[in-house]
Amino acid sequence: DAKTTQPNSMESNEEEPVHLPCNHSTISGTDYIHWYRQLPSQGPEYVIHGLTSNVNNRMASLAIAEDRKSSTLILHRATLRDAAVYYCILSTNDYKLSFGAGTTVTVRA
Amino acid sequence: KAGVTQTPRYLIKTRGQQVTLSCSPISGHRSVSWYQQTPGQGLQFLFEYFSETQRNKGNFPGRFSGRQFSNSRSEMNVSTLELGDSALYLCASSLVQVGSSTNEKLFFGSGTQLSVL
Repeated sequence: DAKTTQPNSMESNEEEPVHLPCNHSTISGTDYIHWYRQLPSQGPEYVIHGLTSNVNNRMASLAIAEDRKSSTLILHRATLRDAAVYYCILSTNDYKLSFGAGTTVTVRA
Repeated sequence: KAGVTQTPRYLIKTRGQQVTLSCSPISGHRSVSWYQQTPGQGLQFLFEYFSETQRNKGNFPGRFSGRQFSNSRSEMNVSTLELGDSALYLCASSLVQVGSSTNEKLFFGSGTQLSVL
């Protein structure tokens, strides 16, 4: 199964950018990279996803390395509401989802 | 638009019993997938149903099973409960099958917290 590796935790100050890395060295050509986040006592929430090109939406940006073996989720200006566990997920061509362990993001006021 | 609804929210069972969890997807969504979340193992994929058929399955024993009804609602059953089955069970719905297209955004419910004593 395709695997992802993320740092256990990251801290940021409010209003500063946060860069969350994810390694997925065994990714195959058709696997999509997804990011979800989970706030306490809630189910995960979709953040962004992409295949090869960098992607932007109102929540974040996703930068995908040229060889696709790593990606970075960018929160441009962290707020206290962005404190959550962020999961980097591969959607593989055998129709399964491979979850990473997640990165716990702490935002300091 | 109503979100994904999971019932019950909390459940306490004893070893050896069986349990059935329910998931109502967002209206119009045909895919329902199930996940187990524990502090030690994190989020693990259980299985996915699409149009009443199980499309794929994670690495879980046969005690874990599920089904999907014609209205897309899904149930998950765990038989002969073990202490290690204590976990948060999440379901997610989407318009299309997991892994099948670029529009594969999952909407998760809040989960059912199962405690096995």
